Amino acid sequence: NAGVMQNPRHLVRRRGQEARLRCSPMKGHSHVYWYRQLPEEGLKFMVYLQKENIIDESGMPKERFSAEFPKEGPSILRIQQVVRGDSAAYFCASSSRDETNYGYTFGSGTRLTVV
Amino acid sequence: RKEVEQDPGPFNVPEGATVAFNCTYSNSASQSFFWYRQDCRKEPKLLMSVYSSGNEDGRFTAQLNRASQYISLLIRDSKLSDSATYLCVVSYSNYQLIWGAGTKLIIKP
Repeated sequence: NAGVMQNPRHLVRRRGQEARLRCSPMKGHSHVYWYRQLPEEGLKFMVYLQKENIIDESGMPKERFSAEFPKEGPSILRIQQVVRGDSAAYFCASSSRDETNYGYTFGSGTRLTVV
Repeated sequence: RKEVEQDPGPFNVPEGATVAFNCTYSNSASQSFFWYRQDCRKEPKLLMSVYSSGNEDGRFTAQLNRASQYISLLIRDSKLSDSATYLCVVSYSNYQLIWGAGTKLIIKP
């Protein structure tokens, strides 16, 4: 499967623990986008990264959330000290360039449940 | 006011019927428009882009009205497999998508 790969598919964390979500872009893609979907809502933009650079993190909560896309390996979305309100589906998409004219292909998502 | 607004539904439609959804957006600078489909607990999948001249893909027709800032999706001869949530998406930057909350469609046999 050469698509966008996300893992884990499901993640359960207790309040106060850390959550690490991984996204491997499609082969040849160097742009990664993270979105969050709360129940019964549309997706909300979180962050746009290129290899080793954060281009736009305007959708990221100011505290506890961070993202990286290292030179080697997957992009990581990290949530520290999780709270119940962090429970959501987190989707990532990738592209070879920063244009939306053709839409995006998303990974299957990580469903985070905070108990 | 939400940037992209959709009727949440659900729309309960008999198989074979025609169904239409509308979506309005608030930013007149929006440049790109899409309809995505999302099945329960799955990722959204691109259904079609929406062009100013309108476009058709099989049983699906999308229209864009820039003056009134709304987008429509028409599904003809609906199938049971069309049951899903349909998400209206706009973009006014090179990379950031703005999503509606979706319209739920249920096709009944």
